Amino acid sequence: DVKVTQSSRYLVKRTGEKVFLECVQDMDHENMFWYRQDPGLGLRLIYFSYDVKMKEKGDIPEGYSVSREKKERFSLILESASTNQTSMYLCASSFGTGRTYGYTFGSGTRLTVV
Amino acid sequence: DAKTTQPNSMESNEEEPVHLPCNHSTISGTDYIHWYRQLPSQGPEYVIHGLTSNVNNRMASLAIAEDRKSSTLILHRATLRDAAVYYCIKAVGGSQGNLIFGKGTKLSVKP
Repeated sequence: DVKVTQSSRYLVKRTGEKVFLECVQDMDHENMFWYRQDPGLGLRLIYFSYDVKMKEKGDIPEGYSVSREKKERFSLILESASTNQTSMYLCASSFGTGRTYGYTFGSGTRLTVV
Repeated sequence: DAKTTQPNSMESNEEEPVHLPCNHSTISGTDYIHWYRQLPSQGPEYVIHGLTSNVNNRMASLAIAEDRKSSTLILHRATLRDAAVYYCIKAVGGSQGNLIFGKGTKLSVKP
């Protein structure tokens, strides 16, 4: 079964810490995405990448950065975590343009910043 | 506007068909319609997608109106495991395939 795997299901970090959220896919997909999901706000796109070492800002990139050194891995970095970054983070990948083939999502990482 | 319009919530009885509507009146010729569902504390799960013709797969059927301004996701026999939030998404051409999620329809299934 094809998969998108997020390294942690639950994470608790302190304000000011540097946080790494890891995502790995085993489907040889070109495109990878990071979303965050908050009650009442739905899913919002943070960053996406359509190739190794390529990245594009989504709707809410402030406070985040990303890294894609290998095709299968897409990392989301919170340079200095803040309490307003407490959220559910979802990674997704797609073959080609996701509109043609669909997305596969991971199970999510619930991050709490205290 | 890239978002679609869906009812906030719907109810169904177990083992009955469910028709989940979606309006996407600003759709253009190259925009696909996608449906995803999300169970509590899980990531969204792909259900089905289509461009112009009706589509069927093992999970559901997608009926797209002739003018493409609306579509309906059909679950043929609802089960308790189908209770989830269902998102109808207009996947816009030329956007690297980014999906813009709306609020979705929360489907409740009664035994």
